[in-house]
Amino acid sequence: DGGITQSPKYLFRKEGQNVTLSCEQNLNHDAMYWYRQDPGQGLRLIYYSQIVNDFQKGDIAEGYSVSREKKESFPLTVTSAQKNPTAFYLCASSIDDQETQYFGPGTRLLVL
Amino acid sequence: AQTVTQSQPEMSVQEAETVTLSCTYDTSESDYYLFWYKQPPSRQMILVIRQEAYKQQNATENRFSVNFQKAAKSFSLKISDSQLGDAAMYFCAYRILTQGGSEKLVFGKGTKLTVNP
Repeated sequence: DGGITQSPKYLFRKEGQNVTLSCEQNLNHDAMYWYRQDPGQGLRLIYYSQIVNDFQKGDIAEGYSVSREKKESFPLTVTSAQKNPTAFYLCASSIDDQETQYFGPGTRLLVL
Repeated sequence: AQTVTQSQPEMSVQEAETVTLSCTYDTSESDYYLFWYKQPPSRQMILVIRQEAYKQQNATENRFSVNFQKAAKSFSLKISDSQLGDAAMYFCAYRILTQGGSEKLVFGKGTKLTVNP
C-alpha cells in the first residue's frame, strides 16, 4: 500500500536528550514537510524539503534539525535546545511543493 | 502576514442535517489554493476538499462543498446529510509562496464539529 508512515506513535524524551522522529513515504513524492500541533492550535511548519539533500526552515525551526538523504525519508530530530517539545508532530508529503499535501498518522512526543 | 481565521471554535449539528463551517483568509496574491482538512480522533489529517482561486466554480466532493467568495476572502465548508463519522476537527488552510520561492500551507486554528445522533 502506498502511504506515509511515522514512527514511533508515542515517544518520550528525557531532559537534555535528542530524539528522532521517523517519516517514510512510498508515494514517490519529491516534497516533504514537518508540522507541529499544539492543543487548540492549527499546524505550524517546522521544516520542509523540496528535493533530496535540500531543506528549508519553516516558521518554528529553532531546536529542531532534519536531513533528506533519501527521497523516501525525512527524519526530524528534536534537540535539547527545544525547551518545549511536548506536542503532536505530523509529517506530510506532496508530489511537488505546488500540489496537495498528504499526511502521516503523527507522533506524540512527551517529556519525562 | 498571511493568516487564516476560523471564527467558530466549536459547532454542532444533528445527524442528517447540514452545517457550514466558516473560514476567512488574508492574502494579496491573485492565484492560490485553499484546502479543508479533517482531523478525527485518530489525529491523522485527511484532505476533504481543495479549491483553486482561479476557478469560479465552487468545489464539491460528495456531501462536502465549499462557498468560495474571492472578493470577500471567504472559504466556507458545507457538510450535507451529516453523519456521525463527520465528527472531527476541521482545519482550513491556505497555500502561500515563501520568500525562498517554494510554497507552504498556513492553517487556521480549527473548528471542532460534533454530530449529535
